[in-house]
Amino acid sequence: EAQVTQNPRYLITVTGKKLTVTCSQNMNHEYMSWYRQDPGLGLRQIYYSMNVEVTDKGDVPEGYKVSRKEKRNFPLILESPSPNQTSLYFCASSSMGRGANYGYTFGSGTRLTVV
Amino acid sequence: GENVEQHPSTLSVQEGDSAVIKCTYSDSASNYFPWYKQELGKRPQLIIDIRSNVGEKKDQRIAVTLNKTAKHFSLHITETQPEDSAVYFCAASILSGGYNKLIFGAGTRLAVHP
Repeated sequence: EAQVTQNPRYLITVTGKKLTVTCSQNMNHEYMSWYRQDPGLGLRQIYYSMNVEVTDKGDVPEGYKVSRKEKRNFPLILESPSPNQTSLYFCASSSMGRGANYGYTFGSGTRLTVV
Repeated sequence: GENVEQHPSTLSVQEGDSAVIKCTYSDSASNYFPWYKQELGKRPQLIIDIRSNVGEKKDQRIAVTLNKTAKHFSLHITETQPEDSAVYFCAASILSGGYNKLIFGAGTRLAVHP
């Protein structure tokens, strides 16, 4: 089954404790992206990647890191989480090469709480 | 920067009525416009999309219209049912670094009352 898999689904952590949210897709998509969703603010892009070893900042990258060492994986790293990073996070992927437009497939989401 | 505005932010209708959600975009080069439905606690899922070479697309009770001149597009849901209750997001493609990426609207919370 074609899918985007995120883990964990729920995470409660303390301020300053490094964490990683994993994202993996099995559709051989070039494009992957991370979003955070907060009430009234919709989906805001954190980072995205056009292909292996190619990443770029989205609209709200501060406090986050990503890596794209393999085509299928795109982990989101919070080196020193703070309470304002409490949010619902979604990973998405797409076959979106030059000149092409396709819809995104989203992962199930990760609800992160930083206390 | 490029943005997508979506209205209304909340919409309440009676079962059987129609619902319309409108979006405007700023990049005249945008050529792909998907709509996503997000049920409570679940992921956004693509429900319909339209490309700039057509003005309207329909799929059962759902239709999307596009006015390229005015740079706006709309989602129309007819004969609404309680299971249509969800948050709906519109999006428009923009060209970034030679690739197309999506910019999302802020979402519309639709409530369909029995």
